[in-house]
Amino acid sequence: GAVVSQHPSWVICKSGTSVKIECRSLDFQATTMFWYRQFPKQSLMLMATSNEGSKATYEQGVEKDKFLINHASLTLSTLTVTSAHPEDSSFYICSARKGGGVGEKLFFGSGTQLSVL
Amino acid sequence: SQQGEEDPQALSIQEGENATMNCSYKTSINNLQWYRQNSGRGLVHLILIRSNEREKHSGRLRVTLDTSKKSSSLLITASRAADTASYFCAPFNNNDMRFGAGTRLTVKP
Repeated sequence: GAVVSQHPSWVICKSGTSVKIECRSLDFQATTMFWYRQFPKQSLMLMATSNEGSKATYEQGVEKDKFLINHASLTLSTLTVTSAHPEDSSFYICSARKGGGVGEKLFFGSGTQLSVL
Repeated sequence: SQQGEEDPQALSIQEGENATMNCSYKTSINNLQWYRQNSGRGLVHLILIRSNEREKHSGRLRVTLDTSKKSSSLLITASRAADTASYFCAPFNNNDMRFGAGTRLTVKP
């Protein structure tokens, strides 16, 4: 199988602080990882595509200076929400593509519920 | 961008009944994938159907693909309460895959 571990599962923080979310592929190498944001009962909104060893590609409307993505190795990508505000409260999910094949299925982390007070 | 749109938005059925969800998309695809999401969790891949395939089965799941109509359907047979979840289709083309709003399926025991 292929397992993607996302940590933490939930986090509560004060407004103005930064929060880091980790996404790890445990038993495979992931050259590409994806970060999504999801509001209750809505779809996943793709925020950025993270490629190992290069800069992330952000979707239109996503502030790259606010949502810092680092894909330092083939098994780890991190999303840092900088200077978090209440409107950043959301469910964040990562996914990873196994292998180098384009178009193959994605494996998802279990998500991180962020609440900014 | 390539995004699937699921229909209906919500579906409520009794245990044992079949559930059919539909997906439409706009451009050509390499493949189309269906995922399931339990509340507050990540997505789980269910099935992938390639553009040259018309039907695919996996257990109680049956997926069809009609590229001429740019549509796909997911059929869950003999549904169980544990099938209650949101289901998303994801058309894939040129390294781009997006998710629609999904179908929220409720299976009543």
